[in-house]
Amino acid sequence: EAQVTQNPRYLITVTGKKLTVTCSQNMNHEYMSWYRQDPGLGLRQIYYSMNVEVTDKGDVPEGYKVSRKEKRNFPLILESPSPNQTSLYFCASSPDRVGNTEAFFGQGTRLTVV
Amino acid sequence: AQSVTQLGSHVSVSEGALVLLRCNYSSSVPPYLFWYVQYPNQGLQLLLKYTSAATLVKGINGFEAEFKKSETSFHLTKPSAHMSDAAEYFCAVKGGGSQGNLIFGKGTKLSVKP
Repeated sequence: EAQVTQNPRYLITVTGKKLTVTCSQNMNHEYMSWYRQDPGLGLRQIYYSMNVEVTDKGDVPEGYKVSRKEKRNFPLILESPSPNQTSLYFCASSPDRVGNTEAFFGQGTRLTVV
Repeated sequence: AQSVTQLGSHVSVSEGALVLLRCNYSSSVPPYLFWYVQYPNQGLQLLLKYTSAATLVKGINGFEAEFKKSETSFHLTKPSAHMSDAAEYFCAVKGGGSQGNLIFGKGTKLSVKP
């Protein structure tokens, strides 16, 4: 089954404790990205990757890191989480970044930073 | 720069009634437009997308949307609401340039009353 898998689904952590949210896709997609969803703001892109070893900042990259060492995996790293990073996070993948190609989303990771 | 405005953060309809969710876009180039649905505790699922082949686009679960360039609108409709349609709906436009991101509206939560 074609899917984007994120782990964990739920995470509560303390301020400053490094964490990683994993994302994996099985569709051989080149383009992957991370979004955060906040009430009343919709979804905003954090980082994106056009292919292996090619990553770039999205609209709200502060406080986040990513890596793309393999085509299927695109982990999101919070080196020193803060309470304002409490949010619902989605990983997405698509065949490419252009035109009307559909983005496939993971189930989401609900992060709470206390 | 592209942007999307969804009118109404909450819409409530009775079962069997018409569903109309409004979306207006701003784009300096021909837009690529999408509607996504998010069921509780789920990721986003594509309902339909505008491909420029036809102005009336049919999607899954009986939803459709009409692209109106003169009104810069891409409203989502369904003739008869079902209880299972209760969810949050997001309109999105593909961003320009190399970023390739989806620019989302703030979402409309649809409630369906029995």
